[in-house]
Order: sequence, then structure tokens, then C-alpha cells
Amino acid sequence: KAGVTQTPRYLIKTRGQQVTLSCSPISGHRSVSWYQQTPGQGLQFLFEYFSETQRNKGNFPGRFSGRQFSNSRSEMNVSTLELGDSALYLCASSFEQGGAGNTIYFGEGSWLTVV
Amino acid sequence: GNSVTQMEGPVTLSEEAFLTINCTYTATGYPSLFWYVQYPGEGLQLLLKATKADDKGSNKGFEATYRKETTSFHLEKGSVQVSDSAVYFCALSDFGNEKLTFGTGTRLTIIP
Repeated sequence: KAGVTQTPRYLIKTRGQQVTLSCSPISGHRSVSWYQQTPGQGLQFLFEYFSETQRNKGNFPGRFSGRQFSNSRSEMNVSTLELGDSALYLCASSFEQGGAGNTIYFGEGSWLTVV
Repeated sequence: GNSVTQMEGPVTLSEEAFLTINCTYTATGYPSLFWYVQYPGEGLQLLLKATKADDKGSNKGFEATYRKETTSFHLEKGSVQVSDSAVYFCALSDFGNEKLTFGTGTRLTIIP
């Protein structure tokens, strides 16, 4: 079974541009989450989608947005990029069963550099 | 809100040494607890988890026990190998919630 797949793996953007990152969850998984990882702030939760609906949102500005499609694939978008948006963006998926301790699987991430 | 506190790194050990990485948490509910590992240039891999008090998660020689009375989930391994060198993250999730709250991570380096 294929794991969580993220594209692109690496990209460089200029300040003020926008970027879209893509995530394909593990087959059968309906919950998709996004995290930002930086050396200074560590791993921070961006948002979570389930059945095309955003269920949870972290404390990020409105420039960060996402969506989920009917096949559970997800995209996140960052508009008006700032230097501080340079980070590893991780997508995660799970077979949401309710209850406790669902195993959440991560992709290898998309490395974004803003110059 | 929820929070996770991990011991500060980096941690450097010799091969075959005993490893402990401390993790304590604060949560409003009854969380599930996880350890994830991140190898250089890669994403996160689930190492082990525990969903209720006194549960012991184990994998690849690593163990951690969910201690509700001390709100802790310390990671241990009896004999580390060079291949264990990585960054280790303690995390929690609330019941029925897919959001993970992570600690700051502990970088572990094993010297042959």
C-alpha cells in the first residue's frame, strides 16, 4: 500500500508569490492534516480535513488555506509568501475511526524556501 | 490547552548505551500519546503509541509507558545503535481528535 505522497518535494518561491502543495493520502484514509515544521517553532498544526470539510484549524493567518477533494486528496495554499513561511510542510493522513489513538501517517514533506 | 514538554537535546550516547528521553504532557481530556521519529531529510514515522493509562507502547526495542499519575510518557531503549540517530518527537492527541500536539523534539546522536 502506498504511503502519503506529497508533491512537489522541493520548491523555491519569491516573496509575495503564492504556492500550492499537494497531498495524496493513503488509500482509504479520509482524514488529512497539514503541519508546518521550522527550526524555531517546531511542528505546528495547520488544519485538518475530513470528507471535504475542515474540522480543525491551527493558529495561522488567513494566507494559509486548504481544501480536500472527494477522493480525499488535499491541497494547501499559501498566498503572499513571506520569508518566514520557509519551512517543511508535512501532510498526514489517518483512517479516522473515532475514539482514541488513531494512527496518523506522515508524508516526506514539501520543502518550501522563500527568497 | 494541550502541551508537550520534552527533554532538551541534543543527546549524544555511545553505541549500546541505555537511552531515556523524557516527555511530560498537559491535557484537558484523556489523550493518546505517541512517539514519532524523524530521520534526516525525511518525514515523521510513528515509533509507538499508547491510548490509555498504564499502556506500554513498544517497537524496534523502544518502549514507553503511559503514566497518568505523573503525566509522562518517557521513551527508553536498552541498547542503542548508530542507526537510532534521529530526532524524536513526543506527541499527544485528544480523544476522537486527529490533531497532534508535538513537543520540540530531541536530537539523538549515537557514536560507534
